[in-house]
Amino acid sequence: NAGVTQTPKFRVLKTGQSMTLLCAQDMNHEYMYWYRQDPGMGLRLIHYSVGEGTTAKGEVPDGYNVSRLKKQNFLLGLESAAPSQTSVYFCASSPWTSLTKNIQYFGAGTRLSVL
Amino acid sequence: GESVGLHLPTLSVQEGDNSIINCAYSNSASDYFIWYKQESGKGPQFIIDIRSNMDKRQGQRVTVLLNKTVKHLSLQIAATQPGDSAVYFCAEAFGNEKLTFGTGTRLTIIP
Repeated sequence: NAGVTQTPKFRVLKTGQSMTLLCAQDMNHEYMYWYRQDPGMGLRLIHYSVGEGTTAKGEVPDGYNVSRLKKQNFLLGLESAAPSQTSVYFCASSPWTSLTKNIQYFGAGTRLSVL
Repeated sequence: GESVGLHLPTLSVQEGDNSIINCAYSNSASDYFIWYKQESGKGPQFIIDIRSNMDKRQGQRVTVLLNKTVKHLSLQIAATQPGDSAVYFCAEAFGNEKLTFGTGTRLTIIP
């Protein structure tokens, strides 16, 4: 059981380049999330999805777009990368039931550097 | 939105001793709390959760205490082992799909 898988694991971009981060989960979870983690700032929510075909903004959505065309996949796009987007990106998924509430299961992360 | 904070950014504990990691939350309406462990180079891993209608919950070697009067959450790790070295995050939620995370406490185990 792979859980939450993020690709790629590492990436270096030049300012202005675009890229897409892929998150895949095999747990049939309804909810999926994208976070960024910067030193001393914990996890900040970028965008999230409560089901296939839905997306919503989180705390820091500017400069990012997302899509949830299939239930198991959640894509995070950077249209024009900026050095301020250098960070570690984590994807998470959650079954969100009344019993489990919002226990989120995380991927291993993608380290992105924008030069 | 409300923020979740931690009292101490770093904590060093002797192997075999008990560890206590503290967390202060500011939203008195939060009804659900989670502790995560993050090892170096890995994603956060769920440890234990607690609902606001409880004040204590125990897991394997871990106990979470919730004091709603002072809006304080703590994670107790019994008989700390080298594998417990990590950054620990608390997170809170209030009736919606989102968690708000604290900035984390780094726990270092001294052999």
